[in-house]
Amino acid sequence: NAGVTQTPKFQVLKTGQSMTLQCAQDMNHNSMYWYRQDPGMGLRLIYYSASEGTTDKGEVPNGYNVSRLNKREFSLRLESAAPSQTSVYFCASSEDRLSQHFGDGTRLSIL
Amino acid sequence: RKEVEQDPGPFNVPEGATVAFNCTYSNSASQSFFWYRQDCRKEPKLLMSVYSSGNEDGRFTAQLNRASQYISLLIRDSKLSDSATYLCVVILLTGGGNKLTFGTGTQLKVEL
Repeated sequence: NAGVTQTPKFQVLKTGQSMTLQCAQDMNHNSMYWYRQDPGMGLRLIYYSASEGTTDKGEVPNGYNVSRLNKREFSLRLESAAPSQTSVYFCASSEDRLSQHFGDGTRLSIL
Repeated sequence: RKEVEQDPGPFNVPEGATVAFNCTYSNSASQSFFWYRQDCRKEPKLLMSVYSSGNEDGRFTAQLNRASQYISLLIRDSKLSDSATYLCVVILLTGGGNKLTFGTGTQLKVEL
């Protein structure tokens, strides 16, 4: 039972490069989320998807786009990476939109 | 004032000690509360829910004080394995979707 799987686990990018972070869950949850975690800032919501086919902005959406490809998968895209986007990114899913199950995280560095 | 505030610590306690953390929240309409545990360089994991009536799970007790707008986590008989960062989560239920706000976390170090 994998739960929430994120890929890649680590990535280094140059400023201006693009990339997509992948997330998949096998718990049949309706809701999925993308967060970033920075020292002293806690977890901040970037985007979320309450159900397949819907996406909404969270607290810090600028510079990101998302796609809810199907019920299992929710991807996060950086079109033109900036050093300020260096962070640890967590994907999460939830059945009841309350308690959340997190993936292992993606450590992203942008030079 | 931040929506959710926690003392970042670290709290350094000897094994076997009792330790308590508080988490304050600013929106009195918040309705659901949780504690998560996060180990170093790992993902957050749900520890327990918090109810007004209190919630106990083994050595862990969570409490909600709506009047003073804080939640607490009490850990009795601390173990080395309890060393982690503890995050509180406050949820505001809205028609447009639940709003989850995470605290920045309180770091606990249990020492021999």
